[in-house]
Amino acid sequence: EAQVTQNPRYLITVTGKKLTVTCSQNMNHEYMSWYRQDPGLGLRQIYYSMNVEVTDKGDVPEGYKVSRKEKRNFPLILESPSPNQTSLYFCASSPRQGPDYGYTFGSGTRLTVV
Amino acid sequence: AQKVTQAQTEISVVEKEDVTLDCVYETRDTTYYLFWYKQPPSGELVFLIRRNSFDEQNEISGRYSWNFQKSTSSFNFTITASQVVDSAVYFCALSEARAEDNRLAFGKGNQVVVIP
Repeated sequence: EAQVTQNPRYLITVTGKKLTVTCSQNMNHEYMSWYRQDPGLGLRQIYYSMNVEVTDKGDVPEGYKVSRKEKRNFPLILESPSPNQTSLYFCASSPRQGPDYGYTFGSGTRLTVV
Repeated sequence: AQKVTQAQTEISVVEKEDVTLDCVYETRDTTYYLFWYKQPPSGELVFLIRRNSFDEQNEISGRYSWNFQKSTSSFNFTITASQVVDSAVYFCALSEARAEDNRLAFGKGNQVVVIP
């Protein structure tokens, strides 16, 4: 089944403890991105990647890192999580740049930083 | 810059009533795509529709219908004869064809509550 897989679905962690949220797609998509969703703010893009080894900042990149060493994986790294990073995170992929190709979203990761 | 506005935050309706969600967008691009997503209480994003800027034909899919009007920069969504399963947050989103970041600009969402 064609899908974007995020892990974990739920995570509670403490301030300052490094964590990684994984994202993997099995559709050979070139484009991948991360969004965070907060009440009253909708979804905002954190980082995106046009292809392997090509990443760039979205609207709200502070406090996050990403890497794209392989086409299928696009992990989101929080080096030192803080409570304001408590949010619902979504990974998305698309065949290539251009909205005419559509987007596939993962099921989301609900992160709580205490 | 692209922007999407969904004015109503929470809408409550009694089952079987119709509900219309308004979406107004801003863009400088002549080629763009508009989307609607549903987010049920389980949290995942469910894709409902994608429409490009050159196709203003309205669409009906079962109890769902969409009214795209370029003249007013609106892409409204109507649920006919609402059911409890329609209770969810609905997001309107815009993506510009020339945007380097290929991002979706989301509205803040409409929480729809269908009362049995």
